[in-house]
Amino acid sequence: EAQVTQNPRYLITVTGKKLTVTCSQNMNHEYMSWYRQDPGLGLRQIYYSMNVEVTDKGDVPEGYKVSRKEKRNFPLILESPSPNQTSLYFCASSPRRTSGRLETQYFGPGTRLLVL
Amino acid sequence: DAKTTQPNSMESNEEEPVHLPCNHSTISGTDYIHWYRQLPSQGPEYVIHGLTSNVNNRMASLAIAEDRKSSTLILHRATLRDAAVYYCILRDPPQTGANNLFFGTGTRLTVIP
Repeated sequence: EAQVTQNPRYLITVTGKKLTVTCSQNMNHEYMSWYRQDPGLGLRQIYYSMNVEVTDKGDVPEGYKVSRKEKRNFPLILESPSPNQTSLYFCASSPRRTSGRLETQYFGPGTRLLVL
Repeated sequence: DAKTTQPNSMESNEEEPVHLPCNHSTISGTDYIHWYRQLPSQGPEYVIHGLTSNVNNRMASLAIAEDRKSSTLILHRATLRDAAVYYCILRDPPQTGANNLFFGTGTRLTVIP
C-alpha cells in the first residue's frame, strides 16, 4: 500500500532533549516536506526537500533541522526542543514537479509533540 | 503569492449538496486551483484540482468562475464522513521549482444528521 509513515505518533519530552521524528514514503517520490499545525494558524511548512541531499527552508524553519540521505526518508530533528514547538507535525511527499501545476501531495498520519 | 479567502465554517444537512466557496482574486493565468481536506485526527488529503474548466471526480466537483477569481467545491451529497476542514490552495510561485502547498485556515464543514 502506498503510504507515508511517521514515527512516533505521540511524543512527550522535556525542554532541551534532542529528538527525531522519522518520515518514510514507499512511493519513490522525489519531493518531501514537513509541516506543523497549530490552532488558528493552519498548516505551515517547516522544511522541504526536492531530492536526495537537496533541502530548503519553508516558512517556519527556526529550531528544526532535516536531512535527506535517502530518497524514502526525511527525518525532522529538534536539537533542543522548546515548549513553543509543541504542535502537530505532518510529513508529506509527492512526485517531482515537472509542469506548472502542483503535484498531488500525500500526507502522513501526523505526530503530536508535547514539549514540557 | 496568490492568496485565497474561504469562510471559516459552513454547515450542511446530510445527503444535501454542499457548495464551498473560495476567492482568489490575485490568481495568475497559469495557477492551478487545488483542494485538499483534513478529516478529524488525520493528515490532509487531496480532493480535486483544476485550471479553467470545471472538473469532476469520484469525490467532488470543482466549478471555476470564467474570470478564475473564484471557485466552488461541490459535494453532491454530503455524508457524515465529509465533515472536515477544506482547503483551497494555489500553487507555489513558479520560479522556486518547489512543490509547496500554502495552506490557509480553510473552511470547517459540519454535516448535520
